[in-house]
Amino acid sequence: LAKTTQPISMDSYEGQEVNITCSHNNIATNDYITWYQQFPSQGPRFIIQGYKTKVTNEVASLFIPADRKSSTLSLPRVSLSDTAVYYCLVARRWGYSGAGSYQLTFGKGTKLSVIP
Amino acid sequence: GAVVSQHPSWVICKSGTSVKIECRSLDFQATTMFWYRQFPKQSLMLMATSNEGSKATYEQGVEKDKFLINHASLTLSTLTVTSAHPEDSSFYICSARSRASGELFFGEGSRLTVL
Repeated sequence: LAKTTQPISMDSYEGQEVNITCSHNNIATNDYITWYQQFPSQGPRFIIQGYKTKVTNEVASLFIPADRKSSTLSLPRVSLSDTAVYYCLVARRWGYSGAGSYQLTFGKGTKLSVIP
Repeated sequence: GAVVSQHPSWVICKSGTSVKIECRSLDFQATTMFWYRQFPKQSLMLMATSNEGSKATYEQGVEKDKFLINHASLTLSTLTVTSAHPEDSSFYICSARSRASGELFFGEGSRLTVL
């Protein structure tokens, strides 16, 4: 499974756009890039997933360059409630079948602190 | 969205006792469930992968006789920490893969404290 590298921590003021970049140099053809958010003492919450180019949903955007060796999670206009740890994961889909496993391996994550 | 429920959300037990943690997919069937452990200020570490009706696959370094995993139905997996010791105190999180969509959903976690 591809190893990911992301900054350990980031600080941002409320209302700013935050971009968290993740490196995954060994990403394989079948790998997807997924970002999760985790608050203390809670399970991870899915944010966004992509394979290439740009993906946008109601909470974030994900930018993936053509070589797919990195990705950037963009959070528009963060608020205090966005203070959390953000994990970038690269997961290899083993083919979807009844007993298939889409295994996720978590890296260290980026602790985002939003300052008033 | 789909819900994965863990019970109990927190538990305190004495050293040497066994503790069972349940992971239920409330509104979908899960072909595969994953169990993670997370120590304070650390990332999630995958412990094991379980498919319904078959034995769990444990990650290297995880004792299968200590962390018993049962996945008897498409909506329930249990993790039993046998003969718990203080070093087993941790946050245990399960995730379940939807049979219909392939999406993964995480439970809210169970905090185990062993005295």
